[in-house]
Formats: sequence, C-alpha cells, structure tokens
Amino acid sequence: DAGVTQSPTHLIKTRGQQVTLRCSPKSGHDTVSWYQQALGQGPQFIFQYYEEEERQRGNFPDRFSGHQFPNYSSELNVNALLLGDSALYLCASSFGTGPYEQYFGPGTRLTVT
Amino acid sequence: GENVEQHPSTLSVQEGDSAVIKCTYSDSASNYFPWYKQELGKRPQLIIDIRSNVGEKKDQRIAVTLNKTAKHFSLHITETQPEDSAVYFCAPHSNTGNQFYFGTGTSLTVIP
Repeated sequence: DAGVTQSPTHLIKTRGQQVTLRCSPKSGHDTVSWYQQALGQGPQFIFQYYEEEERQRGNFPDRFSGHQFPNYSSELNVNALLLGDSALYLCASSFGTGPYEQYFGPGTRLTVT
Repeated sequence: GENVEQHPSTLSVQEGDSAVIKCTYSDSASNYFPWYKQELGKRPQLIIDIRSNVGEKKDQRIAVTLNKTAKHFSLHITETQPEDSAVYFCAPHSNTGNQFYFGTGTSLTVIP
C-alpha cells in the first residue's frame, strides 16, 4: 500500500520563475491538501482539493494555484516566485474534506535564488 | 482563523522521564485534535489524535488529554527514549475554516 508521494524532492528556481510540484495521495484517499513549511515553523495550509475542485484556501495569494486530476493526484503551481517562497512544500491526503486523519508526503524542498 | 499556541517551544528531558506539551486553541467549534511528530528532514507523522467527545486517549507510551472548556489539549510521553527526540506539532481542526491550523512546534530532546 503506497503512501503519499511527492516529486521532485528538491528544486532550485530563480525569482520570477514558475514552478509545478506534484503529489500522489495514499491509496484509498480522495482529498489532497497542500502546506508550506518555512524553516523552524509549523506547516501553513495553502489549499485543499476534493472532486477536482479547490474546497478550502488558506491565506495565500493567487500566485499559488492548484489542480486535482481524476486519479486524485494533485499539482501545486506557484507563479512569479519570490525569495520568500523558499520552503518545504508538503502535501497531505485524507479520505474526505473534514476533520479526518491526514497523512503527509515527504515534501518538496524549493529554493528560490 | 484559529489561534494556536504551543508550550514549551523547547523541552529537554532525561531518558526515562516524562514529557508534556500543551496546545491551546481559540475556535470553540474545533472538534478534532491531532499531534504530529517531525524528525529532522522528514515528513510530519500522525502519532495520536482525539475527538471532542473523548477526554483522554492512550497508545502505549503516548497519551493525549483534552479540556474543551478551557480550549487546550496536551501530549504526554512517558518513559522517554532518545528516538522520541523530534519536533512535535499540534494541529486542531477548525470547523469554522474547515482546515487544520498547526502550532509553532515543540522541539523535544531526550538526553541518554
């Protein structure tokens, strides 16, 4: 039973560029949430996808967008990268959108130079 | 949104001693209270959780207690071992925003 997977593991981008991160949920899960974790901080909720639609959104600008595919996998896109976007990006999957157990992927470390 | 605070921010204990981490939250509509353990360079892992209709839950050396009236819940680790060293996060689920709000974390060091 595969857990949550993410790709790539590491990424280095330049300010102003765009980036796409990918996530495959745990088998049997239909909901994917994305988090940004800055160094020394707790994860901050970006948004959540269920049935291929964005269901909830945290306090992040429109530069952050996403998509969910029919197989429940998801992408996070960030446009016009800023230095402050450097962080660990985590995705978490769950069965359903409510207060249910969520399981995290290993994360993608994004560095913006 | 939910205001979540964790105390202490750092905690050092001798191996075999107990550790307690407290999490306070602001949204009285929160009804699911998980704790995550994150080792250096690794993903957060769910270690224990509790729902609002239960006051305490135990899983071997780990327990969580909930005080809904006072809006706080605590993680208890007994007989600590060096492999318990990690950062621990609470993440109450707010029904108002239908999302999890993570605390700022507690760095636990277990000294052999």
